[in-house]
Amino acid sequence: DAKTTQPTSMDCAEGRAANLPCNHSTISGNEYVYWYRQIHSQGPQYIIHGLKNNETNEMASLIITEDRKSSTLILPHATLRDTAVYYCIVRASEINFNKFYFGSGTKLNVKP
Amino acid sequence: DGGITQSPKYLFRKEGQNVTLSCEQNLNHDAMYWYRQDPGQGLRLIYYSQIVNDFQKGDIAEGYSVSREKKESFPLTVTSAQKNPTAFYLCASSDGGGGRETQYFGPGTRLLVL
Repeated sequence: DAKTTQPTSMDCAEGRAANLPCNHSTISGNEYVYWYRQIHSQGPQYIIHGLKNNETNEMASLIITEDRKSSTLILPHATLRDTAVYYCIVRASEINFNKFYFGSGTKLNVKP
Repeated sequence: DGGITQSPKYLFRKEGQNVTLSCEQNLNHDAMYWYRQDPGQGLRLIYYSQIVNDFQKGDIAEGYSVSREKKESFPLTVTSAQKNPTAFYLCASSDGGGGRETQYFGPGTRLLVL
């Protein structure tokens, strides 16, 4: 699976958009980009995933660059409850297709 | 409600003791997984099972064992051979395939060694 690089931590003001970047420069054509988040001492929560088109759901938007070497997760109006560690995962669709590799993620601190 | 349950929430193990962590899902998912998480770290895969009566080692399987006798259940045993078992253990399940599947996680079990 492609390796991902994320900043260790980020701050965001409550009510503002949180933009979390992820680099995956070695991504292959069949690899999807997934985002999860983990609130302290809880199980990770699925947020969104995509292949090459931008995606949006009730939680967030996922913007994938045209060359697919990086992506950005956008939380449009961050709240204090969005404080968590956010994981960007790139996973192949054929080889080891059931295995997700979680790195250290980005700790998002939403401040009042 | 559909979901994944793990029990207990906290578990204490004495030296030389085997302990079993429970994971149950009612999502009708074929695949189930066990991860270990150490403080400040990401998740590491211990074992996974894509179908009943079949399972494969993950990246850190030594000192652990699993069984998959029922689709709904995937218990993890932490054996006495696991010398550093203190960690947060997470169970997950998924369906589908072809790169589109999503893993859903349980609330976790925190294992502490006395």
